[in-house]
Amino acid sequence: QKEVEQNSGPLSVPEGAIASLNCTYSDRGSQSFFWYRQYSGKSPELIMFIYSNGDKEDGRFTAQLNKASQYVSLLIRDSQPSDSATYLCAVTYQGGKLIFGQGTELSVKP
Amino acid sequence: DGGITQSPKYLFRKEGQNVTLSCEQNLNHDAMYWYRQDPGQGLRLIYYSQIVNDFQKGDIAEGYSVSREKKESFPLTVTSAQKNPTAFYLCASSQEYYGYTFGSGTRLTVV
Repeated sequence: QKEVEQNSGPLSVPEGAIASLNCTYSDRGSQSFFWYRQYSGKSPELIMFIYSNGDKEDGRFTAQLNKASQYVSLLIRDSQPSDSATYLCAVTYQGGKLIFGQGTELSVKP
Repeated sequence: DGGITQSPKYLFRKEGQNVTLSCEQNLNHDAMYWYRQDPGQGLRLIYYSQIVNDFQKGDIAEGYSVSREKKESFPLTVTSAQKNPTAFYLCASSQEYYGYTFGSGTRLTVV
């Protein structure tokens, strides 16, 4: 059974701090990794994707991938209250189909 | 603008009734998916289709049916056999390994 694991949270950080979200996956053959943000009552939106080991930065967001450890993370720098949402980690398998983690709820306190 | 349109946004189903959720995309994506999300839960795959006229069951297909007669359309029918259908339903499409684009979702409630 292919699995993607995330801490459900809630993760609470003060405004301006770095939020660190973590995800592990079971399928060593997975090629692509995605982070989605989901606000309450809304559909998920793609915020980052990463294919290669190492770091990928986009504005305040950094995705980190370590395939040997089967670990992917998302760092949010200078966290804002508007970043408060559930963050879903997703991993590809079988021709592009995604498996999603349960999501980590992030709360950024002003 | 390219995207995925789900309708209706809210749907109420009576006991024993079949209802159909619409999903249309103009992204020219080959693959389409239906997920169910319950409060505080992750996404669970109901059905998916990688080409027209072909679809496969996901992890929780019982009580649901789909069709894929056109590339743009992937409707989901929630049948009376689905005993606990109240949930948030999400349709998505993708092209190869580029991740999913989601529709805005349909919230189904049994009354």
